[in-house]
Amino acid sequence: AQSVTQLGSHVSVSEGALVLLRCNYSSSVPPYLFWYVQYPNQGLQLLLKYTTGATLVKGINGFEAEFKKSETSFHLTKPSAHMSDAAEYFCAVSWPENYGGSQGNLIFGKGTKLSVKP
Amino acid sequence: GAVVSQHPSRVICKSGTSVKIECRSLDFQATTMFWYRQFPKKSLMLMATSNEGSKATYEQGVEKDKFLINHASLTLSTLTVTSAHPEDSSFYICSAIKGRAREQFFGPGTRLTVL
Repeated sequence: AQSVTQLGSHVSVSEGALVLLRCNYSSSVPPYLFWYVQYPNQGLQLLLKYTTGATLVKGINGFEAEFKKSETSFHLTKPSAHMSDAAEYFCAVSWPENYGGSQGNLIFGKGTKLSVKP
Repeated sequence: GAVVSQHPSRVICKSGTSVKIECRSLDFQATTMFWYRQFPKKSLMLMATSNEGSKATYEQGVEKDKFLINHASLTLSTLTVTSAHPEDSSFYICSAIKGRAREQFFGPGTRLTVL
């Protein structure tokens, strides 16, 4: 069964420090990969996504992620954390519609709450 | 860009009543919309896929008679929680699929509290 695992439900970094949020997926076929950010009581905002092409993907707010097929990973990084980065981050996967019964919906990891200390 | 709205953003109701939540794609047409549910400090779980002009497809374990979905137009899907109970309290988020790229855009969510 396809699944998404986010290591660490809570990550705390100091302002200016490197942010690393981990995401691994389980699937026999590489999926499309996404990172979303959610602020309290708000919906999801897409940070970045990988579908095809270059495996290093740059997103908004200085975030980037690298798809590593051999490791089935799609870790999210940012060189220098800002206070405004404090939020919940979700890794998600999807597959093309009609592939393996997919409807194009997203399967989400459990989320990682990022705290940024001043 | 693409904007998806939800209404209401927050609703409190008494146990046994029904609540309707609207999801609208404001600047594009969406033949497919998804309804997700998010429990406190938990991830989003897909409830159902809403297809314009046809019956919704529900995920295993989701009661279709309790969570009624209507996708009557290309810009509107509604989720009605019938005979709501406190355990239905949750954050409900919809998303809409846009264009050939099938990119998914999320609404801001609806916080339902059933007393």
